[in-house]
Amino acid sequence: QLQLQESGPGLVKPSETLSLTCTVSGGSISSSSYYWGWIRQPPGKGLEWIGTIYYSGSTYYNPSLKSRVTLFVDTSKNQFSLKLSSVTAADTAVYYCARLDRALVWGSYAPPNWFDPWGQGTLVTVSS
Amino acid sequence: QSALTQPRSVSGSPGQSVTVSCTGTGGDVGGYNYVSWYQQRPGKAPKLIIYDVSKRPSGVPDRFSGSKSGNTASLTISGLQADDEADYYCCSYAGTYTVMFGGGTKLTVL
Repeated sequence: QLQLQESGPGLVKPSETLSLTCTVSGGSISSSSYYWGWIRQPPGKGLEWIGTIYYSGSTYYNPSLKSRVTLFVDTSKNQFSLKLSSVTAADTAVYYCARLDRALVWGSYAPPNWFDPWGQGTLVTVSS
Repeated sequence: QSALTQPRSVSGSPGQSVTVSCTGTGGDVGGYNYVSWYQQRPGKAPKLIIYDVSKRPSGVPDRFSGSKSGNTASLTISGLQADDEADYYCCSYAGTYTVMFGGGTKLTVL
């Protein structure tokens, strides 16, 4: 059974860089069938997609965060990571990692679009 | 990217049916049959309940169903149970390998 686990500092100072890692167990991050993503949820608010990465290193970002976000993958450790620079209090949120799946339609893959499973999430607070 | 539009709350009595709407544009919900729905209980990670507009993952009861018409997708929960009380989020593919979520809907079982 595939499991994902987020890890990283729970407290980050304003203007610094938030760094989180997602460790995948029970399956390979190098599977050609799946993509991997980050989603965040500010306290009491809704979900926001941050970005998606493929095992090859291809990345796709939310346009609203693109200037500050970098995703990268380490296939040797079965991990993928998130860096968010120049953080402010507005970046305080529970950060989730998840696998993105996609349908195989007429012999071709659809774009990745649904998230399953999810990690348990980790709260990152931005405060001095 | 603006969030997809969902009602902030819906409610229903046990045994009834409720529908949660998710409205986007032709560039997301209306343009692709790639809408998914998630159930999130307090303090927990979201759980996939519908993908590709109307498909259910194994283990999700058939009381949960999804549909789409034009730029609006819908999640219907029939035979409402107390355990269904949660937040529900829609998510749509929006082109160029990007996705976007709805603002979320709180379901209250009366």
